[in-house]
Amino acid sequence: EAQVTQNPRYLITVTGKKLTVTCSQNMNHEYMSWYRQDPGLGLRQIYYSMNVEVTDKGDVPEGYKVSRKEKRNFPLILESPSPNQTSLYFCASSFWGGNEKLFFGSGTQLSVL
Amino acid sequence: GQQVMQIPQYQHVQEGEDFTTYCNSSTTLSNIQWYKQRPGGHPVFLIQLVKSGEVKKQKRLTFQFGEAKKNSSLHITATQTTDVGTYFCAGREGAYKYIFGTGTRLKVLA
Repeated sequence: EAQVTQNPRYLITVTGKKLTVTCSQNMNHEYMSWYRQDPGLGLRQIYYSMNVEVTDKGDVPEGYKVSRKEKRNFPLILESPSPNQTSLYFCASSFWGGNEKLFFGSGTQLSVL
Repeated sequence: GQQVMQIPQYQHVQEGEDFTTYCNSSTTLSNIQWYKQRPGGHPVFLIQLVKSGEVKKQKRLTFQFGEAKKNSSLHITATQTTDVGTYFCAGREGAYKYIFGTGTRLKVLA
């Protein structure tokens, strides 16, 4: 089944404790992206990647890191989480050019205490 | 940078009434997409519009892309309880970015 798999689904952590949210897709998509969703602000893009080893900043990249060492995986790293990073995070992937339909993962609800 | 505004933020309708959400961009869009997010779920792709003035229909849903490619709308005829959720537009900025609107949360009262 074609899907984007995100883990974990829920995560509670404390300020400053490094964490990684994993994202994997099985559709051979070139494009992968991370978003955060906050009430009243919609979905804001954190980072995106057009291919292996090619990443670029979105609109809200501060405090986040990403890597794209393999085409299928695009982990999101918070090296020193802070309470303002408490949010719902979504990973998404798509082909690029033509019908750029984004497939989203199920989301990760992160709480930083 | 580009901004995509969506109105209204919330809409409550009686089942059977029509519903419309509007999306407006500060700049010209190369294309626009619409997504639906059910409560507790993730966004799911509905449609992509590319051409100026384009209109597409999916059963009770009608999507329009403005002539100037700066605005778009989603209209649902005779809403049903299954239409509940948040509807997002997303406009393409530059080569690799989609900017999402703030979303319209639809509640349908039975």
